[in-house]
Amino acid sequence: EVQLVQSGVEVKKPGESLKISCKASGFSFSTSWIGWVRQMPGKGLEWMGNVYPLDSRTIYSPSFQGQVTFSADKSITTAYLQWSSVRASDTAMYYCAKQTPGAHCDAFDIWGQGTMVTVSS
Amino acid sequence: DIQMTQSPSSLSASIGDRVTITCRASQTFGDYLNWYQQKPGKAPKLLIYAAVSLESGVPSRFSGSGSGTEFTLTISSLQPEDIATYYCQQSYYTPRTFGQGTKLEIK
Repeated sequence: EVQLVQSGVEVKKPGESLKISCKASGFSFSTSWIGWVRQMPGKGLEWMGNVYPLDSRTIYSPSFQGQVTFSADKSITTAYLQWSSVRASDTAMYYCAKQTPGAHCDAFDIWGQGTMVTVSS
Repeated sequence: DIQMTQSPSSLSASIGDRVTITCRASQTFGDYLNWYQQKPGKAPKLLIYAAVSLESGVPSRFSGSGSGTEFTLTISSLQPEDIATYYCQQSYYTPRTFGQGTKLEIK
């Protein structure tokens, strides 16, 4: 079965570091772009960027550049999203998603279940 | 960034109704447009890609049309399980951008 399984709920204090994960199975992880999408409470979807596990290429939305880091470990088919210092404004649901293969009109065809991150003092 | 504007922001319709949601882009990009459905408490689900192509397993009552800057998602006969928020997304420019969403409710 093609799926992405994300790590569990996180509750952090401002200034703490955080790394959440997205475990892939059932498809060629190394050669699939994996994206991250943020959804703040009661709000819409925001594209954060992508990582390509084969060579760890990354693309960041300007809104998230320098705020987060994408990485991937192809040996364990897992992608990561990390923060060096979280803020209250990082409180949101974070989804990983697999990008469709092919050159024309990429889309996210498989989604993880989401990881809820709460940052509060 | 490319702005994607959906209309309406919310919509109330009856079972069996034909429902249309519009997505307008601030710049043109051919058919690089996707539609997603998000039910409460769930991850989004891809419905339509490349403006008109139905994702495998999606009921045929869903269809997409348009190109350039104006796109539509149509549900030909609304079913109770279609209650959700719908998002468009352009995949031509970086950053990829989503519309603000259209919340669909049953009348």
